[in-house]
Amino acid sequence: SYVLTQPPSLSVAPGQTARITCGGDKIGRKSVNWYQQKPGQAPVLVVYDDTDRPSGIPERFSGSNSVTTATLTISRVEAGDEADYHCQVWDDSGDPVVFGGGTKLTVL
Amino acid sequence: QVTLKESGPVLVKPTETLTLTCSVSGFSLSSGEMGVSWIRQPPGKALEWLAHIFSNDAKSYTTSLKSRLTISKDTSQRQVVLTVTNMDPVDTATYFCARILAADTTIYYMDVWGKGTTVTVSS
Repeated sequence: SYVLTQPPSLSVAPGQTARITCGGDKIGRKSVNWYQQKPGQAPVLVVYDDTDRPSGIPERFSGSNSVTTATLTISRVEAGDEADYHCQVWDDSGDPVVFGGGTKLTVL
Repeated sequence: QVTLKESGPVLVKPTETLTLTCSVSGFSLSSGEMGVSWIRQPPGKALEWLAHIFSNDAKSYTTSLKSRLTISKDTSQRQVVLTVTNMDPVDTATYFCARILAADTTIYYMDVWGKGTTVTVSS
């Protein structure tokens, strides 16, 4: 089955840029979605199909995807961005839906 | 406005069957390239996809739990039901349902999630 690998944690200072990675075999060929999950809440879609943002998501959130790594970039990080971030792909072998292990973003 | 709401028992005993209901509003379960997924999250752990069902009634299940899961939908009632048989304490988790949208024939994403329902398995 397909595996997505995320760093367990990342810490950034307010105003800096956070880059959260999601690694997978030939992930560049897949469509990657990213979800933000704050404590005690449901996940919220922040980026879909690698780079697109749903309405209402700030432009500070952007995505990219290349070869073996997809990246969620959060510019000008704010305290309110502190959350777990999960990447997800659709796979055509094994389970059709795969999530990464999640990255806990801490704003210092 | 699209909403999804999970409901079901808070506590189940080991070996019992869990039945969860996802009640939806703001979209139809019978039209368009849409579907509903069930995802769970054990305390402090990652999200785990369980199953989904599309408007054309196509279904998929996670390989690891396939023998224990059944997903179905009642279009008139606007509900998607997931049953999990033979519950075990390791199945203790928050269970979410989410709408699946298709941006293309190969591009899908879960754009709206319910708040989740927490299920504890204990005797």
